[in-house]
Amino acid sequence: GALVYQYPRRTICKSGTSMRMECQAVGFQATSVAWYRQSPQKTFELIALSTVNSAIKYEQNFTQEKFPISHPNLSFSSMTVLNAYLEDRGLYLCGAREQQNTLYFGAGTRLSVL
Amino acid sequence: QQQVRQSPQSLTVWEGETAILNCSYEDSTFDYFPWYHQFPGESPALLIAIRPVSNKKEDGRFTIFFNKREKKFSLHIADSQPGDSATYFCAASWGNNRIFFGDGTQLVVKP
Repeated sequence: GALVYQYPRRTICKSGTSMRMECQAVGFQATSVAWYRQSPQKTFELIALSTVNSAIKYEQNFTQEKFPISHPNLSFSSMTVLNAYLEDRGLYLCGAREQQNTLYFGAGTRLSVL
Repeated sequence: QQQVRQSPQSLTVWEGETAILNCSYEDSTFDYFPWYHQFPGESPALLIAIRPVSNKKEDGRFTIFFNKREKKFSLHIADSQPGDSATYFCAASWGNNRIFFGDGTQLVVKP
């Protein structure tokens, strides 16, 4: 079956430091990977959509300078939160899509900032 | 403009009843409509999905009804169980483009 491994599950970083999260699709080739942040109210914010062989597209309010993403192959993607501050706290979700358009989420990375 | 709207925001039903969750969308080019559920402390998991070639999709107790003309679709959970209590999200997308999510319906099934 299709699985998406995302790690770490939880991370705590000091204000102004950076942290990296990784996402790996298992059992299928991801045609695209989307990174979301879920608010405490559970709404989804799309950070960026990365499609293999295309430029990574960032949504408004999110930039490559703050959330650099690497998507080197069809099964792996990573995102870094640079200079994390309190407003960056939340649950970060990676979603990998297969050819039939089904989007599978990883377990999420919960970021806390001290 | 919000692409996918979901209602109600919260829903409480008794065990055994049918829970009905509703969604509407804006873009008539959307061709993929999934529902996800999310339990506390977990990430969203795909529950069931439909494409506009069909107006109904069943999987056990879960059924999607799709109305292309009105740009609406709904999730019916038959014989609701307390274990179905979760937040449910509808979504829509076209091709391999971004998926737009609704804001969620918090379902509580009382025993």
